[in-house]
Amino acid sequence: GAGVSQSPSNKVTEKGKDVELRCDPISGHTALYWYRQSLGQGLEFLIYFQGNSAPDKSGLPSDRFSAERTGGSVSTLTIQRTQQEDSAVYLCASSLPAGGRTEAFFGQGTRLTVV
Amino acid sequence: AQTVTQSQPEMSVQEAETVTLSCTYDTSENNYYLFWYKQPPSRQMILVIRQEAYKQQNATENRFSVNFQKAAKSFSLKISDSQLGDTAMYFCAFMKFRGGADGLTFGKGTHLIIQP
Repeated sequence: GAGVSQSPSNKVTEKGKDVELRCDPISGHTALYWYRQSLGQGLEFLIYFQGNSAPDKSGLPSDRFSAERTGGSVSTLTIQRTQQEDSAVYLCASSLPAGGRTEAFFGQGTRLTVV
Repeated sequence: AQTVTQSQPEMSVQEAETVTLSCTYDTSENNYYLFWYKQPPSRQMILVIRQEAYKQQNATENRFSVNFQKAAKSFSLKISDSQLGDTAMYFCAFMKFRGGADGLTFGKGTHLIIQP
């Protein structure tokens, strides 16, 4: 696609429900990143994928968070048993091989509100 | 671990003026990248400018330039001839040289308002 696409754009969910956030990276981009942007914490790095592999999942806030990437393309971030503190904007970015030499392009994010 | 500090939560200037946004960082790395990103209300982060730490020359992109002071660990952004469309949140960010897998470390941002 022309850019990084994230869906849904906005999501309101009840506390305790599971949610799935989707990211479609730019075609051919092997590196994919998830970030969380919240009022209290600013922008936090969550996880990185090179192809389908995520070498380090320690950035995920809790074991309620999981992420996967299939076919070296689409990625989903799943939050189980959502809590109010999960309310934030979740941003996805993709790039050619990881590293500062290549520009990371961001999607418009998913605004998650847990009520 | 790296930290990035932006000490100006909000700035406001008149259109056509020059404005400088401050950023300091802390790292034990010798080689790294620094970035300024713009985030308009659409939420999409847009790369404004990038600096490679091993390059002494300050990066410039049209009206945007940086003052990179490696010893002082300072990386400020200067916007010349500011325009209404420059109104946005601006984030300073750090990435290790071979640490793409660690992602970007962001500052908390500066809300820049350009007044007509």
